[in-house]
Amino acid sequence: ETGVTQTPRHLVMGMTNKKSLKCEQHLGHNAMYWYKQSAKKPLELMFVYSLEERVENNSVPSRFSPECPNSSHLFLHLHTLQPEDSALYLCASSQMTGFDEQYFGPGTRLTVT
Amino acid sequence: AQSVTQLDSQVPVFEEAPVELRCNYSSSVSVYLFWYVQYPNQGLQLLLKYLSGSTLVKGINGFEAEFNKSQTSFHLRKPSVHISDTAEYFCAVTLAAGNQFYFGTGTSLTVIP
Repeated sequence: ETGVTQTPRHLVMGMTNKKSLKCEQHLGHNAMYWYKQSAKKPLELMFVYSLEERVENNSVPSRFSPECPNSSHLFLHLHTLQPEDSALYLCASSQMTGFDEQYFGPGTRLTVT
Repeated sequence: AQSVTQLDSQVPVFEEAPVELRCNYSSSVSVYLFWYVQYPNQGLQLLLKYLSGSTLVKGINGFEAEFNKSQTSFHLRKPSVHISDTAEYFCAVTLAAGNQFYFGTGTSLTVIP
C-alpha cells in the first residue's frame, strides 16, 4: 500500500449505530487530518493531529470522536449520527502542520439513514 | 478570518480550448496558496502551490497559476485542456503560522469533446 488509505470506502449506518472510520498513511508523515466534504460546501476541517497530539478541533459535535494511536493511523469513531452527517469523509497527512502539502486518501462515503 | 471564494461553480470548456478557474481570498496576513484537483471517487491531489518568490507558479499536467497580491487572487490557467482534465478543482489558503487549510467550494471543470 502506498500513500493514504481509508476504510471502508462506503458506509451506511442508522442513527443508533456505532462505527469507526480508519485511515492509514504510508508516507512517514507527522500530521494527520480529518475533513468533511459535503456538496457545494468548502471542505470542513474537523481535526488535526501532530505527532499524535490533537492540535485543532473545529467545534465538531461530540458524536464524532477521533483517535490517533500512532503517527501512521487515525480513526474517527461515530455514534448517534444525524442524517445531515452524511458526507464524504477525507483523511489527509502531511510532513508537518502549516504549509506542507497535504496528501489525501480516497475518502469514506458515509450515509446516515 | 480567512476565506476563499471560487467564483465559478461549474465551467464547461471545449477540448483544446484555454481555461481559467478563478480564486480570490481574504486575509489580513501573509498566506500560502494552493490548487488541488479531485477526480471522481478519489481524494484531492496537489496541482501547484505558491509559497514565495515568482508569482507565476507552474504545476503538474500543464497547469499554472498567478499570485496577485493587490487583487488577492490566485487564478488557475491551462492553455489547452484535455478530456482527462474533467474534475473538481479546489483553491486553498493557509497562514504562515497556521495549522489548517481553508478551502473554497470547488469548481467543476467539464471538458467537452
